Amino acid sequence: SQQGEEDPQALSIQEGENATMNCSYKTSINNLQWYRQNSGRGLVHLILIRSNEREKHSGRLRVTLDTSKKSSSLLITASRAADTASYFCATGGTSGTYKYIFGTGTRLKVLA
Amino acid sequence: EAGVVQSPRYKIIEKKQPVAFWCNPISGHNTLYWYRQNLGQGPELLIRYENEEAVDDSQLPKDRFSAERLKGVDSTLKIQPAELGDSAVYLCASSLGNRGVADTQYFGPGTRLTVL
Repeated sequence: SQQGEEDPQALSIQEGENATMNCSYKTSINNLQWYRQNSGRGLVHLILIRSNEREKHSGRLRVTLDTSKKSSSLLITASRAADTASYFCATGGTSGTYKYIFGTGTRLKVLA
Repeated sequence: EAGVVQSPRYKIIEKKQPVAFWCNPISGHNTLYWYRQNLGQGPELLIRYENEEAVDDSQLPKDRFSAERLKGVDSTLKIQPAELGDSAVYLCASSLGNRGVADTQYFGPGTRLTVL
């Protein structure tokens, strides 16, 4: 079973626009990570946010975490055609070693 | 630094045949994961190793799936016999495996299995 649920399932925007995707989860977490997957490729780690953090930035990426609502959002600013991919959130549990549970993904298409 | 290596990249077999996937993790990574990813879905964990020990195999269908990680480095995932529903991408990932520290996973390109 998958803990994370991304929303929307699919998103299509024009190059230069911002893209926002959301992740909701069910149980307490230690950290949450976002990954990108290009078609036919493996997943690439984008950013990690810990449960005691509320916001993190990395280049054009901004991630927020609201543990009270059990949700996270990923914002990609000034999107490019190369950002076209599927984006997954993965939640890490609160036990000593980490088992990550992936969501269902948001398929982002950036039109040139 | 070399990434996670998987082979083969593609495999087509008939149902009831056996199949094996191989993974070479990043050097120095203690934790190794096998995931299955169905079309349009996120990866689902099959088994997680810390060094040679399988610490989480609760999602592994043990009647037909088996895995091993020799000497805590390379790993092999086997299916015998394969069923139509096993068609998916099988992903291997590795991480440093530092206990108590949030761990970034590094993924291989995956093996796309088609069972006919």
